Order: sequence, then structure tokens, then C-alpha cells
Amino acid sequence: NAGVMQNPRHLVRRRGQEARLRCSPMKGHSHVYWYRQLPEEGLKFMVYLQKENIIDESGMPKERFSAEFPKEGPSILRIQQVVRGDSAAYFCASSHDPPALSGANVLTFGAGSRLTVL
Amino acid sequence: AQTVTQSQPEMSVQEAETVTLSCTYDTSENNYYLFWYKQPPSRQMILVIRQEAYKQQNATENRFSVNFQKAAKSFSLKISDSQLGDTAMYFCAFLYQGGSEKLVFGKGTKLTVNP
Repeated sequence: NAGVMQNPRHLVRRRGQEARLRCSPMKGHSHVYWYRQLPEEGLKFMVYLQKENIIDESGMPKERFSAEFPKEGPSILRIQQVVRGDSAAYFCASSHDPPALSGANVLTFGAGSRLTVL
Repeated sequence: AQTVTQSQPEMSVQEAETVTLSCTYDTSENNYYLFWYKQPPSRQMILVIRQEAYKQQNATENRFSVNFQKAAKSFSLKISDSQLGDTAMYFCAFLYQGGSEKLVFGKGTKLTVNP
């Protein structure tokens, strides 16, 4: 079991470009979460998805950010027209059941993708 | 809205000694979970220990234990017999059991274990 796989681990973009971050959940997990970690900060919730559905996107910025978790393939976090303030580590986590049901003890995090915007 | 506060940005401890990291939280809910996560330099988020709010007994995992004071909304982490591999950022986190799927994290405490 390879765990939660995120790629790329490091991504450099210039202002105005697009960033795509991918997350493959653990085998058998159908719940995916994205968190953002700004420098010197804790992780902040962005979005919770199940296959083909966005369940909670209350932490997503209103513009330029979108997420999907298609029936086949990884979950994608897409940031359009990146700005320097988007520079952060983006973490994906997955679980078999919703965390509130399982107590989050089976919430597994990936190693994160670090986005640097020049 | 729930908030989590870690008042110690950095701490250090000598190898083999004991250290306690502080965490307080604010919520009006009664049913929730609390967690401590470790983030070593590799940046991987690793669950250290968790506590269900309805349980009075403090959780323990080997050298890691918590002091959960529900009335005071305090959730500290004690690391006994500190090891060099314990050097990491430690994050306290809150999860409301009533339906929200979001973990709310504190800003973290950077722990350094010195040889």
C-alpha cells in the first residue's frame, strides 16, 4: 500500500501561470481532503471531495481555485493565474470513512506539494 | 467557529528528558476529537495521538501522553524520554463530531531535541 501519493513534490510557477496538483488516495479510500499550509502556519482546510462530488468547499478561495475528484484517476487541485500569495505547501489526505464518523484516526496525509510562485 | 491556540512557537529539550507542549481550544460543542500531529522536516503529517472528548481517561501512546482538561479546554502533549527523532513541528488539531469534516489546526510548536 503506497499511501497517499501527491505530485509533484515541488512546483515552480511564474505569476499568471496555472498550477495543477495531483493526489492519489490510499487504495480503498473514497474521501479526499485538501489543506493548505502557509509559511509559519498550521494547515487550513480547503475542500472535501468524494468521487465525482464536492462535499464541502468552504475553505476554497472564491476565485482561481478549483478541485475535482473524478470517477477514475487522481484528485486535482487547480490554481489558475497564480500569485505570490499562493506559495504554500498543499496537503492531501484521504480516508475510507468521513473523519467525523471515524474520528480521523484513519485520515492519512500525503507528503504535500510545495508550490513556489516567482 | 472553533479555534486552536498553541502558545509556544518553539521549545527545546535535552535527549531523554520530558517535555510538555501546550494547546488550548475554543468551542461550544460537546462532542469532538482532539489530535496531535507531528511534522518532521520531511513535511509528512503523522498522527501522534488522539482523544475523544467524551472519554475522561487521558490517551497514551508509548512515550506520548496527553493531559485533557475538558472544562478548561486544554489539551497538552507530554513526550517522555525524548529522542532525537522527536525533533519536528507539532500541531494540535480539533475535529467536531457533529458533521463537519474539517480538522482545525493550531499554528504549531517547533520542538528541538538536543543531544
